[in-house]
Amino acid sequence: GIQVEQSPPDLILQEGANSTLRCNFSDSVNNLQWFHQNPWGQLINLFYIPSGTKQNGRLSATTVATERYSLLYISSSQTTDSGVYFCAVMTSGSRLTFGEGTQLTVNP
Amino acid sequence: DGGITQSPKYLFRKEGQNVTLSCEQNLNHDAMYWYRQDPGQGLRLIYYSQIVNDFQKGDIAEGYSVSREKKESFPLTVTSAQKNPTAFYLCASSRSTQETQYFGPGTRLLVL
Repeated sequence: GIQVEQSPPDLILQEGANSTLRCNFSDSVNNLQWFHQNPWGQLINLFYIPSGTKQNGRLSATTVATERYSLLYISSSQTTDSGVYFCAVMTSGSRLTFGEGTQLTVNP
Repeated sequence: DGGITQSPKYLFRKEGQNVTLSCEQNLNHDAMYWYRQDPGQGLRLIYYSQIVNDFQKGDIAEGYSVSREKKESFPLTVTSAQKNPTAFYLCASSRSTQETQYFGPGTRLLVL
């Protein structure tokens, strides 16, 4: 099956810093989503982005499908951005495959 | 309020006991899913359903069972055959299997 690798596994920032999270995948995809899991376990949709670039406030994402990677940018980070960020992809089937996540800690 | 609800928030299981986790959605979504998350790991698919009265095994279906008798509901039963059930269980739904999935708040299952 498809492999999904996220990097870095852990990231510690000071409030106000910018960061880039990366997601590499091993096959062509027709669905890619970024999620944020808060400390209480809730998964929140950030982006549905199988290709191209999208922006939502301080967050933006870019997927380069031909090169099999996606990037999530967080600018001017806040303590509420802390949590785990997951990338999930779908190929021709009906299943999302999740990466292992990036644990982000934003210190005040 | 539209959304996905899961109950209970915490569930305790005794050895040899079957337990059922509830998942309800009022988003009028056709597809529903169950995932398992172990500490420090990503989510793994247990079962999914594309439409009422239909469901498919995911990657880790052994020891679990589901039903989909109503569009809004997709309960998951953790049977006694599941030898390591302690985990965080997340339910999701989407308009179709190709579209954005939305998640419920999760149920934490602990074995006594």
